Amino acid sequence: ETGVTQSPTHLIKTRGQQVTLRCSSQSGHNTVSWYQQALGQGPQFIFQYYREEENGRGNFPPRFSGLQFPNYSSELNVNALELDDSALYLCASSLAGTDTQYFGPGTRLTVL
Amino acid sequence: GIQVEQSPPDLILQEGANSTLRCNFSDSVNNLQWFHQNPWGQLINLFYIPSGTKQNGRLSATTVATERYSLLYISSSQTTDSGVYFCAVEGGGSNYKLTFGKGTLLTVNP
Repeated sequence: ETGVTQSPTHLIKTRGQQVTLRCSSQSGHNTVSWYQQALGQGPQFIFQYYREEENGRGNFPPRFSGLQFPNYSSELNVNALELDDSALYLCASSLAGTDTQYFGPGTRLTVL
Repeated sequence: GIQVEQSPPDLILQEGANSTLRCNFSDSVNNLQWFHQNPWGQLINLFYIPSGTKQNGRLSATTVATERYSLLYISSSQTTDSGVYFCAVEGGGSNYKLTFGKGTLLTVNP
């Protein structure tokens, strides 16, 4: 157990819909990163939040957006869902100034 | 950006055998982590090892930063070791994201 939790566990949406995924970081961790893992691939970095601001972004379009709240929990929002958005979405928390990232169990999104 | 290559892509072992997984990276790193992903998708931290050698039970890891590679050793493998092993690095001028390799799928047969 890493102390990082994500909800929901599974989600099914249709093309064009919007989705919100949630992450609660490990106690004391103030940085949250989101990753997308397609089937058979390694996780790909989406973005990172620190002190409620985006701290870095990977090669994902603007329809992928996020928020971090004062308690360091975070949301990932995806608009105008596409079939290729079907993936496991992983959240990782860390403490700024340290390097080790701890991952949650993920949310498996299926877009039909 | 930094490139990460893992080998072999697939590995099948009998229970009790030893194995070595390799991770090559293309630039200097300030963070290197090994993960085991279980069948439910959970990424489990094995080692934080940007350089040097560490051991944890039957697992050990060595990173030679100057030569840009890391090795994960699994001794006396068990069926519960099955899953995908990922190497992930932070570096190459990017100090906020982990770049993952494609993983090694390990299958340990009884």
